[in-house]
Amino acid sequence: DVKVTQSSRYLVKRTGEKVFLECVQDMDHENMFWYRQDPGLGLRLIYFSYDVKMKEKGDIPEGYSVSREKKERFSLILESASTNQTSMYLCASSRGRAYNEQFFGPGTRLTVL
Amino acid sequence: SQQGEEDPQALSIQEGENATMNCSYKTSINNLQWYRQNSGRGLVHLILIRSNEREKHSGRLRVTLDTSKKSSSLLITASRAADTASYFCATDNNAGNMLTFGGGTRLMVKP
Repeated sequence: DVKVTQSSRYLVKRTGEKVFLECVQDMDHENMFWYRQDPGLGLRLIYFSYDVKMKEKGDIPEGYSVSREKKERFSLILESASTNQTSMYLCASSRGRAYNEQFFGPGTRLTVL
Repeated sequence: SQQGEEDPQALSIQEGENATMNCSYKTSINNLQWYRQNSGRGLVHLILIRSNEREKHSGRLRVTLDTSKKSSSLLITASRAADTASYFCATDNNAGNMLTFGGGTRLMVKP
């Protein structure tokens, strides 16, 4: 059974902290994605990666960075967390073309105080 | 801006009734996908329809695609309380290197 896991379901951090969100997939997928989901705004793409050490900006990359050192792992980094980064963060992966079926993790609900 | 927009934003029906959700998009696509999200969870892929297909079925799901109108519909027949969830359409962008999701339709099926 295919699986995408995220390091935390719930996370509470303080303004200015550096935050790491980890995502691991066991399907040997080339593509990995980070989204944030906010009420009324749907899912918005932050960054994606189509290969190890490769990354591309999505629609809202400001305030975020990513790291993909291994094929199965894609990390989202908030360099200095701010309250407007309070959100649900969803990781996904896919095989082949980036517009193929995506498999999602359970999400991390991040609250920045 | 969002490529796909769902309509309606919310839908409430009785168990056994059919539920229809619509999605409109703006630019040409390679495929259109529908996903379901249960409250507070990740998205689950339901069905993918390619741009050269007009209709596709999967169990109680029926998806249509009209590329001339840049629209799609998702029909869930004989709905169940377990179908209560948010439903999202997703389309690829012009470059074909990412998916763009709409704002979703919140479906409530009352027992």
